[in-house]
Amino acid sequence: DAGVIQSPRHEVTEMGQEVTLRCKPISGHNSLFWYRQTMMRGLELLIYFNNNVPIDDSGMPEDRFSAKMPNASFSTLKIQPSEPRDSAVYFCASYNDRNTEAFFGQGTRLTVV
Amino acid sequence: AQSVTQLGSHVSVSEGALVLLRCNYSSSVPPYLFWYVQYPNQGLQLLLKYTSAATLVKGINGFEAEFKKSETSFHLTKPSAHMSDAAEYFCAVSPNAGNMLTFGGGTRLMVKP
Repeated sequence: DAGVIQSPRHEVTEMGQEVTLRCKPISGHNSLFWYRQTMMRGLELLIYFNNNVPIDDSGMPEDRFSAKMPNASFSTLKIQPSEPRDSAVYFCASYNDRNTEAFFGQGTRLTVV
Repeated sequence: AQSVTQLGSHVSVSEGALVLLRCNYSSSVPPYLFWYVQYPNQGLQLLLKYTSAATLVKGINGFEAEFKKSETSFHLTKPSAHMSDAAEYFCAVSPNAGNMLTFGGGTRLMVKP
C-alpha cells in the first residue's frame, strides 16, 4: 500500500482565496483524521471521521473551515476564505480498528500570503 | 480530558550518548500512549506504542519507553544516539487504540558528532 496520500504537498495562495486540501487514506481504514501543525500551537486535531461520518469536529477553528468525506477513499479539507493565520502544515491520518496505530500522510504545507 | 507535557523543547546529546526524552500525561481513562518521530518535511512515523500490555515497550530504531502509572510518565530512551536520530519527537495520548491523538508540544533532538 502506498500509505496515506495527501495533495498538494505545497500550496501558496493569496488571502481570501479558497483552498482545498486532499487526502486518500489507506485502503481498508475506516477512520480518518485531519491535524494541523503550527509553531505556536503544535499538532492539533481538527476533525475525525469514522466510516465516512464526521464524529468530532470540535477542533475546526471556525466556519471558514469545512471537511468532507464523500467515500471511504477520499477526504477534503476546505478553507474559504483563507487567511494568513491559516498558514500551517496540514496532516491527514488514517486508522482501522484492527490496528493500534494511526498512519500519517506527508502533509500539505499551506502558505497564505 | 487528556493532555501531554513534554519537558524540554530541545534536547542535545553527543553521538553515542544516552537519549532521554520526557513525557508526562494526564488522562481520565486508562491511556494508550504513543511516541512518533518527525523528520524534516515529513509526516509522523510511529516509534512505539503502549496499549495496556507490557509496561516496557520496545520500538523501532532501538528506542524504548516505559509506562509508569504512578508517575504518569512515558519517557523515551535509547542507549546510544546516532546522528540519524536527529528529528522531532512527539508523545501522544489517546483514550482508545490509536484514535483521536492528543499530542505534546514536541522535543527536537539534536545529535552532536
